[in-house]
Amino acid sequence: KQEVTQIPAALSVPEGENLVLNCSFTDSAIYNLQWFRQDPGKGLTSLLLIQSSQREQTSGRLNASLDKSSGRSTLYIAASQPGDSATYLCAVPLRGNTGNQFYFGTGTSLTVIP
Amino acid sequence: EPEVTQTPSHQVTQMGQEVILRCVPISNHLYFYWYRQILGQKVEFLVSFYNNEISEKSEIFDDQFSVERPDGSNFTLKIRSTKLEDSAMYFCASRVGTDGYTFGSGTRLTVV
Repeated sequence: KQEVTQIPAALSVPEGENLVLNCSFTDSAIYNLQWFRQDPGKGLTSLLLIQSSQREQTSGRLNASLDKSSGRSTLYIAASQPGDSATYLCAVPLRGNTGNQFYFGTGTSLTVIP
Repeated sequence: EPEVTQTPSHQVTQMGQEVILRCVPISNHLYFYWYRQILGQKVEFLVSFYNNEISEKSEIFDDQFSVERPDGSNFTLKIRSTKLEDSAMYFCASRVGTDGYTFGSGTRLTVV
């Protein structure tokens, strides 16, 4: 089984600040790791997917890194905006898992203050 | 961009009633999933489906739950006799290969 922990649980920053969200997982035998965004009462929007052979992925102001050996991933958000306010979830499968089910962290709730 | 479509967006049902949640995965995807999220809690895996059969299921997915892909495009989750604790947001997801998941926008199920 995979345990996924996200720190901090909540974060409040002024607009324009750069920030880092952390995700750690217990079993490093993973195919990939995916970061999602969830707005209140809404679905999951995929932000970035990092394959196990990669160390980082970038999309616009977002950069995600992956260190399999230490069981960690970070999501870096540059120049934060109020529209970035949401809950950010990381999700990790298990390589040996036939269904490749994802294990989700509890998320980091981000508030960007205008 | 291709989407996973879920219907209805919100369903209210009486305890003990059967509900069917519907999903249309992305057409070339091969793996299909149901997850749920009880309010304020983690997103939890329910079941995965590949090649017209269940490939894995969690402890939550007991005899009250079933999945079906009746016509090659729809993917359904049935709860036979709903309980209050089944109230949650239910997400359908699909993927192909080792690509990431695409999730639907969810069905909020309220059991009263």
